[in-house]
Amino acid sequence: LAKTTQPISMDSYEGQEVNITCSHNNIATNDYITWYQQFPSQGPRFIIQGYKTKVTNEVASLFIPADRKSSTLSLPRVSLSDTAVYYCLVGDYNQGGKLIFGQGTELSVKP
Amino acid sequence: GAVVSQHPSWVICKSGTSVKIECRSLDFQATTMFWYRQFPKQSLMLMATSNEGSKATYEQGVEKDKFLINHASLTLSTLTVTSAHPEDSSFYICSAQRTSAYNEQFFGPGTRLTVL
Repeated sequence: LAKTTQPISMDSYEGQEVNITCSHNNIATNDYITWYQQFPSQGPRFIIQGYKTKVTNEVASLFIPADRKSSTLSLPRVSLSDTAVYYCLVGDYNQGGKLIFGQGTELSVKP
Repeated sequence: GAVVSQHPSWVICKSGTSVKIECRSLDFQATTMFWYRQFPKQSLMLMATSNEGSKATYEQGVEKDKFLINHASLTLSTLTVTSAHPEDSSFYICSAQRTSAYNEQFFGPGTRLTVL
């Protein structure tokens, strides 16, 4: 399973756009990239998933360059409620679906 | 859709007792479920993969006789912590995999176990 590397923490202010980059140099051909959000004492919540280029949904965008060795989660106009830990995971969901969580990025949004 | 529940949400027990935690996929069937453990300020650690109708697959270092997993139906997996000790106190989280093009995993809300 490809290992992921993310910044340990990030600070932002309300209304700003936040970009969290994840490195996954050993990503395999069949691997997808998934981002989860976790609040304290809660289970992770699915944010977005992609394979290449750009994916956008109602809460975030995911940018994946052509070499797929990194990905960037973009959160537009964050609010205080976006303060959480964000995990980037890489996995081949057709091979048992195992997800190995890295350290995650603790995002702190300030007023 | 894609809701996963866990019961109980928290439990306190005495050292030496066993505790059962249930994980249910409420609106989809899950052939595969996963169990994680999370200590304070740490990431989730995968404990085992639970497959309906077959034995669970445990990650290295996880004692299968201590953490019993049963996946008796397509919507229910249970984790039993046997002879619990204070060091087993943790946040236990399950996830259920929904069969689709991406086989997404949806996580339960977690169970806080405190062993006195």
